[in-house]
Amino acid sequence: EPEVTQTPSHQVTQMGQEVILRCVPISNHLYFYWYRQILGQKVEFLVSFYNNEISEKSEIFDDQFSVERPDGSNFTLKIRSTKLEDSAMYFCASSEAGLGTYEQYFGPGTRLTVT
Amino acid sequence: SQKIEQNSEALNIQEGKTATLTCNYTNYSPAYLQWYRQDPGRGPVFLLLIRENEKEKRKERLKVTFDTTLKQSLFHITASQPADSATYLCALGDSTLTFGKGTMLLVSP
Repeated sequence: EPEVTQTPSHQVTQMGQEVILRCVPISNHLYFYWYRQILGQKVEFLVSFYNNEISEKSEIFDDQFSVERPDGSNFTLKIRSTKLEDSAMYFCASSEAGLGTYEQYFGPGTRLTVT
Repeated sequence: SQKIEQNSEALNIQEGKTATLTCNYTNYSPAYLQWYRQDPGRGPVFLLLIRENEKEKRKERLKVTFDTTLKQSLFHITASQPADSATYLCALGDSTLTFGKGTMLLVSP
């Protein structure tokens, strides 16, 4: 069964450093998403991406964040200058279409620890 | 702003019983509502989707109801098993998803 993959599974970085989290969505899906989950809290939407551009973003997704689809398979989330409060699990997801009628398939997540 | 409430306390039930989880929402009129399962340290896994014009949806031992007047969804697992132990998340959205915090279900043998 096709699945979303994410690398690395765990990333430790120092405050102020740049990190890139990588995702390979399911191949025939058209919409891609990033979510984050701070330990013990709910899953929060960050950004959705369609047709090589951002379709929606939340208030969390400020200028420190960017997304890119550098080739036909990868989807990346970059945090330019990490802060302690960026420590969280980051989940990539993909769906066949962007309407809420389509389920989203989540990857296993990248645990980001900012020290 | 949109608010989704799920029971924050864990639900403990015995194997074989029916588990019922609640999702209430305010300041929103979603066209769709989804339920996901999340195991510790893992990503959410899609379970069921129900549309606003559907009262009930079933899939194997799972059943979801959607009452747009009460602004509530109920999620039922019948004949529960220890393997059903997980956190269950309610999610709303017409394009992007807003998740509730989830309810942890513990099924004991």
